[in-house]
Amino acid sequence: QITLRESGLTLVKPTETLTLTCTFSGFSLTTRSVGVSWIRQPPGEALEWLAVIYWDNDARYRSSLTSRLTITKDTSKNQVVLTMTNMDPVDTATYYCAYTEAAGYGDKVRFDYWGQGTLVAVSS
Amino acid sequence: QSALTQPRSVSGSPGQSVTISCTGTTSDVGGYNYVSWYQQHPGKAPKLIISDVNKRPSGVPDRFSGSKSGNTASLTISGLQAEDEADYYCCSYVGRYSYVFGTGTKVAVL
Repeated sequence: QITLRESGLTLVKPTETLTLTCTFSGFSLTTRSVGVSWIRQPPGEALEWLAVIYWDNDARYRSSLTSRLTITKDTSKNQVVLTMTNMDPVDTATYYCAYTEAAGYGDKVRFDYWGQGTLVAVSS
Repeated sequence: QSALTQPRSVSGSPGQSVTISCTGTTSDVGGYNYVSWYQQHPGKAPKLIISDVNKRPSGVPDRFSGSKSGNTASLTISGLQAEDEADYYCCSYVGRYSYVFGTGTKVAVL
């Protein structure tokens, strides 16, 4: 059974750095094809894909946020960490992590499993 | 990468059918058969209901179906039920291991 859970500070100030952790179970990020993505959703708005990291440490980012995002993994802890620098009130959103597989390596090129999400507010 | 375009809302009476469109470009929807659809009820995480354009995961009712023509994908809900009232999002693979979501559609059951 695959589960994911997001954790981190729920209130950050403008210009600060956000650090979110996704702790998962039921799969390993050392298995070929496997990846974990971060997706966010501002209140009342649409989902927005942010970043992904794969078993081979290949990391990809939303093009408009490349300079602010870093995604890393700790396979020994079954965790994926997302950092976002220079936070702004427009970054207020629910942040989700989700299981995925790499195109060309796996057949789950989508988001089968999601965490429950964590609401992050950016305010002074 | 711009968001895929979906209608803001669609509605129908119980038992009717509704179709939600998801329009992209040859760089996303038109270029890959990796279009997925997600259902989201208020305060809940999204749930996968269609993968690979038209595949239904186990447990998803067969009243949900997907299709694609050119740069536009579609989700059809046949035999609309009260519990189908939710937000729906399409998502497409865009190459280089990255993704883009749609603008979202609110389905109302009248």
